[in-house]
Amino acid sequence: DIQMTQSPSSLSASVGDRVTITCRAGQNINNFLNWYQQKPGKAPKLLIYAASRLEGGVPSRFRGSGSGTYFTLTITGLQPEDFATYYCQQSYNKRTFGQGTKVEIK
Amino acid sequence: EVQLVESGGDLVQPGGSLRLSCAASGFIVSDYYMSWVRQAPTRGLEWVSILYSDGYTYYRDSVKGRFTISRDHSKNSLYLQMDYLRDEDTALYYCARTPVNTKAGEDYFDYWGPGTLVTVSS
Repeated sequence: DIQMTQSPSSLSASVGDRVTITCRAGQNINNFLNWYQQKPGKAPKLLIYAASRLEGGVPSRFRGSGSGTYFTLTITGLQPEDFATYYCQQSYNKRTFGQGTKVEIK
Repeated sequence: EVQLVESGGDLVQPGGSLRLSCAASGFIVSDYYMSWVRQAPTRGLEWVSILYSDGYTYYRDSVKGRFTISRDHSKNSLYLQMDYLRDEDTALYYCARTPVNTKAGEDYFDYWGPGTLVTVSS
């Protein structure tokens, strides 16, 4: 199975900050990489697919980049509703999620 | 409107069985890839199984031989038959939809249900 490693596992940030989360794949997954946001008690929500494509209705402050084994999710101008846990997920071979990054209020 | 609603979660003893259902509306289940994803309490997301539109199925190693994914076109529903349940199968189980795309890299979960809770305990 393809391992997905996210970092950091948690971070504290303030409203308006720029936040970057990284995700590394255990092997080349081309651009088969998606990002999800999950809030407590809710199902995950798709933010970014195919590494850099913004899902419809998702604010443009979310940006995904990368290919191969290294990917990033950047939130520019953090908003109160962005405090949540973020997961990367590969779909190159079966499916695997990263362990999650919890974004907390500083 | 696309909706997914899971049911069938319960408290079950180790070694027992359970069948989860996922009722879909707003689309045809057999036209999409459908998956089960689980989340243990206070833990991360873990993909469990996928059923492709052409009928192929795949499972994570830890459930292979114990879980079976299937669908019923007449009921427009997805199922997960879980046998020989273990403590570590305790989790909230989500069903999720993947659109069938031909563009490179476009393979993602675009709709999720609210989940159904499975607790394996004696």
